[in-house]
Amino acid sequence: EVQLVESGGGLVQPGGSLRLSCAASGFTFSGNWMHWVRQAPGKGLVWVSRISSDGSDTKYADSVKGRFTISRDNAKNTLYLQLNSLRAEDTAVYYCTAFMAGRPGWGQGTLVTVSS
Amino acid sequence: DIVMSQSPDSLAVSLGERATINCKSSQSVLYSSNNKNCLAWYQQKPGQPPKVLIYWASTRESGVPDRFSGSGSGTDFTLTISSLQAEDVAVYYCQQYYAIPLTFGGGTKVEIK
Repeated sequence: EVQLVESGGGLVQPGGSLRLSCAASGFTFSGNWMHWVRQAPGKGLVWVSRISSDGSDTKYADSVKGRFTISRDNAKNTLYLQLNSLRAEDTAVYYCTAFMAGRPGWGQGTLVTVSS
Repeated sequence: DIVMSQSPDSLAVSLGERATINCKSSQSVLYSSNNKNCLAWYQQKPGQPPKVLIYWASTRESGVPDRFSGSGSGTDFTLTISSLQAEDVAVYYCQQYYAIPLTFGGGTKVEIK
């Protein structure tokens, strides 16, 4: 069974940093490209970032480019998202997702709240 | 970016009746390598993550009741709930995974009439 478990969210002040993690199991993590998607309170789903299976290729939404960094450790089956220079509008639940032969898998999400 | 336009924004249906949600993409999401459409449907209830209902536009996820079905190809897609149950009250989203950025429809809120 595919499992994606996010962690690392919390309350942070504007301008602060957080590192999110996503522990993967039940599929060949090293063979799959991975994504982060976020959802602000009461709003829709928005793609944030993507990383290739070997970590060599990354893409970001314009809203987070230069502030967020996606990475992965295939030996640990773990995906990361480093969030720097956080703003109030970054407040959201952050989900990691993957498409295994076109079949989506999602984690339960981790809440990031940016507030003073 | 591929824009996903979902309609209606909200829908009230009587128990046991059919609910139909439409999703239109600004360009084709048909993946030529396997002739499948890179389109997924999700159900989301308050406080929960999105639940996968349908992928490849019409493949039902394991464990999803067969009253949920997906259809369409190219740029026009439909999610149908054939006989609405009380537990189907939720927000439904379509998503394309043909190109980066992944993009989502704005959501359709389904309620009981």
